[in-house]
Amino acid sequence: GAGVSQSPSNKVTEKGKDVELRCDPISGHTALYWYRQSLGQGLEFLIYFQGNSAPDKSGLPSDRFSAERTGGSVSTLTIQRTQQEDSAVYLCASSLGPTNTEAFFGQGTRLTVV
Amino acid sequence: GENVEQHPSTLSVQEGDSAVIKCTYSDSASNYFPWYKQELGKRPQLIIDIRSNVGEKKDQRIAVTLNKTAKHFSLHITETQPEDSAVYFCAASRRGGSQGNLIFGKGTKLSVKP
Repeated sequence: GAGVSQSPSNKVTEKGKDVELRCDPISGHTALYWYRQSLGQGLEFLIYFQGNSAPDKSGLPSDRFSAERTGGSVSTLTIQRTQQEDSAVYLCASSLGPTNTEAFFGQGTRLTVV
Repeated sequence: GENVEQHPSTLSVQEGDSAVIKCTYSDSASNYFPWYKQELGKRPQLIIDIRSNVGEKKDQRIAVTLNKTAKHFSLHITETQPEDSAVYFCAASRRGGSQGNLIFGKGTKLSVKP
């Protein structure tokens, strides 16, 4: 079946513009994660959804970042007034639920702010 | 708070040698420990995982060991090959929590020199 799908795969945007990144998790997966990965770096946790609920938004780097999930499925990560330091690969992952199961990653969105 | 420490951050070995990456975790309730491999420009993918009811698991050239008393687990790669070069992430489960049920280590960049 289909894996985790992210779109766009690449995004170049001008500084100050808003961008929206999309994640389609595997059908039936209730847990969804967003991570940011700068070049050669580890996985920086951004936010976690269980269903449509995100209990903790403290991982988001600033108030320019927001995320939502609707219908327990698709999630969008929005970055307002983008800055050059926002340039990174944004990875989404989903897993079956709050029990101990594998997280499946999407291919990521490479964001470049010029 | 709960966290996962991963060492070393970089590891360079000669082809054919073994490589060992170690992780420690803090949550004594953790009972699922996956390892992910991320090749350059690609998404992290699960290569092996272990649950707390076993102490070791093998899959061809890779193995994972778990010491629940000491709260550490390790990835062992034998007879390394250039295609093993990648970043490896360990993770540990936790019971729910506002940041989800998987906590990742910061990654180990493995280079296998021919």
